[in-house]
Order: sequence, then C-alpha cells, then structure tokens
Amino acid sequence: QQQVRQSPQSLTVWEGETAILNCSYENSAFDYFPWYQQFPGEGPALLIAIRSVSDKKEDGGFTIFFNKREKNLSLHIKDSQPGDSATYFCAASLGNNRIFFGDGTQLVVKP
Amino acid sequence: NAGVIQTPRHKVTGKGQEATLWCEPISGHSAVFWYRQTIVQGLEFLTYFRNQAPIDDSGMPKERFSAQMPNQSHSTLKIQSTQPQDSAVYLCASSSGQGTGQLYFGEGSKLTVL
Repeated sequence: QQQVRQSPQSLTVWEGETAILNCSYENSAFDYFPWYQQFPGEGPALLIAIRSVSDKKEDGGFTIFFNKREKNLSLHIKDSQPGDSATYFCAASLGNNRIFFGDGTQLVVKP
Repeated sequence: NAGVIQTPRHKVTGKGQEATLWCEPISGHSAVFWYRQTIVQGLEFLTYFRNQAPIDDSGMPKERFSAQMPNQSHSTLKIQSTQPQDSAVYLCASSSGQGTGQLYFGEGSKLTVL
C-alpha cells in the first residue's frame, strides 16, 4: 500500500500563475512532511517542510497547507517562474525513521 | 562543506557483470539512505543505516543486491549479476539523524545495464 500519494502526475501553468500540487498520506502518525524539488540530472533537494502541529508553512513563494483531519496537504507555488519547472516530491515520516516519498508531480511553467 | 558524494556518476555494465556504487555522506551525519529512481517506479526506498548499522533493508531486492557501511565516511551498494531491469539512477542520501527527516541527496549514480 502506497503511503504517500500525489496528484496531479504532471501540471502545466503559465508564468505568474499559482501552481497547486496535492498530496495525501495513509499513516495518521506521520508527523513531518517535507517537499523535495528535483531538477533533471540532480538529486532531490529539500524545498520546504511542515510538522503536523502546524496547518500552514510559508517560505518565499512556497506555501504548504496542511489538513491533519483529512490527511492531506498541498504545496502552492505563487507567481510561478520557468525556473520552478521541476519534479516535486511530497514525503512523510515519523520521528527518526525512514521517509516515504510520493511518485512526484512534474511541473512545467510556460513563459 | 561538501554535500553527499556519489561515485561513479555513470556506469555501464554488461548483463551478468557486477556493479558497485559508492557513497560518501556529509561529515557528521549518522544516517545513510539508498534509493533507486526510474521513470516507471519513481523513487524506491532500498535500505538505510544509522550509525553504520543496517536498520531497514525492506526495499532491497532479496537476491543480487547488498549494501554495506564499513565506516562512517562511506557506504557501498553492490549489485551482482546485473540485469537490464537494474538500470536506474541510484541515489544516496544522508541525514543528521536528529529526527527532522531532512535528507541531503547526492547527484546519483546512473547505472545502465546493456
């Protein structure tokens, strides 16, 4: 059973729009939810993360909205730029244990 | 401060040959993870070590794959008798083990099995 699910699989937006990437998870005990950004030829890199005690986390143009009751979260990328085109992975973990990754959303921002 | 270093970046092997991939974690990090990434399967967890001890190898194929961490400065992933389906990017990541769940990934080793 997949622990973390992401949608959509791919997303295309125009420059300046807000991109919304969705994520849901199975284990209600997960308490840490990082989002990773990956460019072609590189490893994933931590973009922003939230703990389950919070319902919102902002960092620059990136915002996570977290709904513990519904076991889902979303990443909003405000004023998307072509340089934001990448694959975004939602992940979840519990304490100091392994991190479970979703299958990723491939974002394309068109100029 | 160097990040996670993986070598080689690219490796091409013939079917049936052995492939060994190396990972040098960030100095001071106590946890090392191995993932495999393909277009079809996405990011697949393979195994991880904490303080050099194997903690969870539930993602490792039972045959032909093995991982070791002989010291705190490097880990290896060995694939014996490689098969075309082993072709993938193998990613190593390390974390401080402080419970934040933040992984620092290397750039990966792209394995191509002909």
